[in-house]
Amino acid sequence: EAAVTQSPRSKVAVTGGKVTLSCHQTNNHDYMYWYRQDTGHGLRLIHYSYVADSTEKGDIPDGYKASRPSQENFSLILELASLSQTAVYFCASSAGLGGGQNTLYFGAGTRLSVL
Amino acid sequence: GDQVEQSPSALSLHEGTGSALRCNFTTTMRAVQWFQQNSRGSLINLFYLASGTKENGRLKSTFNSKESYSTLHIRDAQLEDSGTYFCAALTGANTGKLTFGHGTILRVHP
Repeated sequence: EAAVTQSPRSKVAVTGGKVTLSCHQTNNHDYMYWYRQDTGHGLRLIHYSYVADSTEKGDIPDGYKASRPSQENFSLILELASLSQTAVYFCASSAGLGGGQNTLYFGAGTRLSVL
Repeated sequence: GDQVEQSPSALSLHEGTGSALRCNFTTTMRAVQWFQQNSRGSLINLFYLASGTKENGRLKSTFNSKESYSTLHIRDAQLEDSGTYFCAALTGANTGKLTFGHGTILRVHP
């Protein structure tokens, strides 16, 4: 089973502050993703990466940056946190594109509250 | 509109009974993945299907890409099956991006 670790598990931030969410995976997966989940809804893709030092925009990238300094690590950065970014954030990884390699394995999530 | 339409939005089952959850897709999807989100919020992989049917214990899932739908059947439901079930479809040709449905909240009661 893939191991994806997120930190912190929860965070309270002030409006306008900078927030960094971290994700670390230990399964040699090339692909990593950041999703957000709002109460009562499914997950929406923010950013993803398929190789170190490169990131791609997902479906809702506005207000977020991502950084992939190594294969194992993928960060999500909120430069100026806003109330609307209060949500639970999930990191995920997958091995590749073909067949079952695209199975996503999720971390436990980070609950972010912006006040 | 949404590319992944999930139904029902909520479902209540007595222990020992079963039912089916469904996802309809508005465009051609390459594969589908099913997750259970438990009471702690963790997302648990259930199935990944590019076609056909897979079974695991009391769960069975089918993906029909031609007719653009997937189903998840639960039989002999147990209390620990309670949670929210999501389907997520693989859309892009050259990415691993998944598009999620809004989920089905399942409550299993004695």
